[in-house]
Amino acid sequence: GENVEQHPSTLSVQEGDSAVIKCTYSDSASNYFPWYKQELGKGPQLIIDIRSNVGEKKDQRIAVTLNKTAKHFSLHITETQPEDSAVYFCAASSYGGATNKLIFGTGTLLAVQP
Amino acid sequence: DAGVTQSPTHLIKTRGQQVTLRCSPKSGHDTVSWYQQALGQGPQFIFQYYEEEERQRGNFPDRFSGHQFPNYSSELNVNALLLGDSALYLCASSLGGVRETQYFGPGTRLLVL
Repeated sequence: GENVEQHPSTLSVQEGDSAVIKCTYSDSASNYFPWYKQELGKGPQLIIDIRSNVGEKKDQRIAVTLNKTAKHFSLHITETQPEDSAVYFCAASSYGGATNKLIFGTGTLLAVQP
Repeated sequence: DAGVTQSPTHLIKTRGQQVTLRCSPKSGHDTVSWYQQALGQGPQFIFQYYEEEERQRGNFPDRFSGHQFPNYSSELNVNALLLGDSALYLCASSLGGVRETQYFGPGTRLLVL
């Protein structure tokens, strides 16, 4: 069935360092890959997304890469700041068909130490 | 521009009771999806509503049902509550049914005792 694996489950970095979170998906029909940031007591907030016709996308300190052949995609955060501390979720979707449900990974708790 | 809103924010119920959760989508959006997020887990898809109809359903029992109104707002109903239904229930809205970007509300925290 559809599945998204996410690693690591926890990640601790020093302020200013980079953080990388990796995901693998199983459904080869997936063509849309968003990343969400969830702070304690809040709903997930979309931070960046990538579609299958693009290999890399960058938005200031955040970048996402996609390898469709290997079914891998990764989130890269550079120059981390304490306010980046949160749980990050990757997701995969096969939009354009009857629906666009998101299949989520299990989350990565990122702690940025000042 | 109002984002996705959900009510109530918190709810406590006992086993066997029924609950109704409400969602108003982001302005201009016509599609609502519901997700269940257990503690420490990623959200799991329950179902999606578009044009007042359920378009797809995840692996959830019939105790979970929903509705979408003409103004695109939506309700999630859960009957015969079980302890395992305790979770954060998230509503996400998107546009046009086939557009991929989903925006989430703050969720409703349901505790079943």
